[in-house]
Amino acid sequence: GENVEQHPSTLSVQEGDSAVIKCTYSDSASNYFPWYKQELGKGPQLIIDIRSNVGEKKDQRIAVTLNKTAKHFSLHITETQPEDSAVYFCAAKRGADGLTFGKGTHLIIQP
Amino acid sequence: DSGVTQTPKHLITATGQRVTLRCSPRSGDLSVYWYQQSLDQGLQFLIQYYNGEERAKGNILERFSAQQFPDLHSELNLSSLELGDSALYFCASSVNSGGAGGGGALHFGNGTRLTVT
Repeated sequence: GENVEQHPSTLSVQEGDSAVIKCTYSDSASNYFPWYKQELGKGPQLIIDIRSNVGEKKDQRIAVTLNKTAKHFSLHITETQPEDSAVYFCAAKRGADGLTFGKGTHLIIQP
Repeated sequence: DSGVTQTPKHLITATGQRVTLRCSPRSGDLSVYWYQQSLDQGLQFLIQYYNGEERAKGNILERFSAQQFPDLHSELNLSSLELGDSALYFCASSVNSGGAGGGGALHFGNGTRLTVT
């Protein structure tokens, strides 16, 4: 089945700096790649997603890039703010299969 | 607020017991997914239902079962509970079946925290 590796497990950045989280996937047939943000005591919330026919997608301060050849995708957050502190999960999906999640990245925004 | 409602929020029970977790999807969503979140295993896909029918199966134990009712709410039944079943159980819903197209945003509830003692 699909396997998703996510790095780093913890990322600490200064407020206002950029943060990058990287994921690799194993199944070349995966065609949907969402990113979720999970705050303490809450369920994961979808923040951005990308399909395999697109290389990059941007939504305000958040962007995702996908390299199908290398089977990796990344989340970029610019101008980080305190409210960006959370655990971020990448995921991959092939067809009708369920989402396979990475282990998560704890993002800490230092004031 | 995602619009997905899970009850109860917390559940404490003993080994060997049976519990039922309930999920009401967002209005208009036909698919319901169940996930288990633990510190060591992360978020694990258990099972998906679409419009009352089982659609996809993940790492769901034989002691666990689920169903989706005509009103689209879903229940996850966990039986013969073991200490290792202690985890957060999330329900998510989506509009479509998440089929060959792959996509379909999942909207998660806030989970049920199960503690088995």
